[in-house]
Amino acid sequence: GNSVTQMEGPVTLSEEAFLTINCTYTATGYPSLFWYVQYPGEGLQLLLKATKADDKGSNKGFEATYRKETTSFHLEKGSVQVSDSAVYFCALQPGNQFYFGTGTSLTVIP
Amino acid sequence: DSGVTQTPKHLITATGQRVTLRCSPRSGDLSVYWYQQSLDQGLQFLIQYYNGEERAKGNILERFSAQQFPDLHSELNLSSLELGDSALYFCASSVVEGSTDTQYFGPGTRLTVL
Repeated sequence: GNSVTQMEGPVTLSEEAFLTINCTYTATGYPSLFWYVQYPGEGLQLLLKATKADDKGSNKGFEATYRKETTSFHLEKGSVQVSDSAVYFCALQPGNQFYFGTGTSLTVIP
Repeated sequence: DSGVTQTPKHLITATGQRVTLRCSPRSGDLSVYWYQQSLDQGLQFLIQYYNGEERAKGNILERFSAQQFPDLHSELNLSSLELGDSALYFCASSVVEGSTDTQYFGPGTRLTVL
């Protein structure tokens, strides 16, 4: 079946620290992979995506590489800011349906 | 602002009641998805419509139903409500369906069942 396993939170980091949020998936075929971000009180927003193996998605200093050999799509940022505090969701799209991870809450403290 | 609108923003009702949640997709988007987000179950896909037709079904209960109208707005109907139905309900829209599709989410409707 199709599923996404995401690193458990919450994660608390100091400003300018390095961020990694792990995401691994199980899927049939060749899915597209996404990271969405949800700020407090808002809906999910697309952060970045990758549609095939070895693609790197990047946006706002965040990046993630589609690794087919390890079925992973880990999210990284070199230097986090307080404004990055949010919940991050990894998602998988093997066809018409999307499968989301449980979300990882990130708090960045000054 | 994603361009997807949802009404109402908040809804408080009692067990056994029926409610309707409304979603207007981004202009030009043909596909609408509904999700339920609860603390214990995370974000669960419920159902997808494309240009008025049901295309995919997820973990949607039989007490729930949805439709997409000719003007492309969608409604999610929840009936015989239970306490466990309290959650955030999100609608998302996309231009097409397919492997590179990007979804744009609305702000959600928070349903509280008392």
